[in-house]
Amino acid sequence: NAGVMQNPRHLVRRRGQEARLRCSPMKGHSHVYWYRQLPEEGLKFMVYLQKENIIDESGMPKERFSAEFPKEGPSILRIQQVVRGDSAAYFCASSRDGEGPQHFGDGTRLSIL
Amino acid sequence: DQQVKQNSPSLSVQEGRISILNCDYTNSMFDYFLWYKKYPAEGPTFLISISSIKDKNEDGRFTVFLNKSAKHLSLHIVPSQPGDSAVYFCAASDYNTDKLIFGTGTRLQVFP
Repeated sequence: NAGVMQNPRHLVRRRGQEARLRCSPMKGHSHVYWYRQLPEEGLKFMVYLQKENIIDESGMPKERFSAEFPKEGPSILRIQQVVRGDSAAYFCASSRDGEGPQHFGDGTRLSIL
Repeated sequence: DQQVKQNSPSLSVQEGRISILNCDYTNSMFDYFLWYKKYPAEGPTFLISISSIKDKNEDGRFTVFLNKSAKHLSLHIVPSQPGDSAVYFCAASDYNTDKLIFGTGTRLQVFP
């Protein structure tokens, strides 16, 4: 499967725990984007990364959220001390060179108990 | 501040007919527009895109039209098929940033 791979597909956490969402971009893609979709809403941009660099984090909440895309391995979106309002679908997308269409994974559905 | 708007939350079309999905935007800096299709529990699937230097782009049954003066774009699907039933999202970006700004989606239902 050469598409964008996200795992886990579903993640359940209790309030106060940490959530780690992983994304492996399409083969040959070096640009990764994270989006969040709340129920009945469109996708909202969170962060744009290239290998070892955060290019644009203008959509990231100021606290508790962080993202990385290390030289080796998948991109990670980390949410510390989760709250009920963090419940959403989190989608990762990748592109080859920052131009052209972004291709999306199937998302991680995060539920906070 | 909703920069990309899809004012029709739903659309119902008979199989074989044309489906027209509309999208309006407010930011004149947007120069690249995309349409995605999304099924439940899946990620958005890229359909077709258009840059601001064009006013039309066609790919098989899908055509996107861009009217820059009206800040409006539309997606035409003809002929519509039951498998086209999904939520369609319009998205836009500008040359300063690669982030996509999405509309809230239009749910298309194609019935036999």
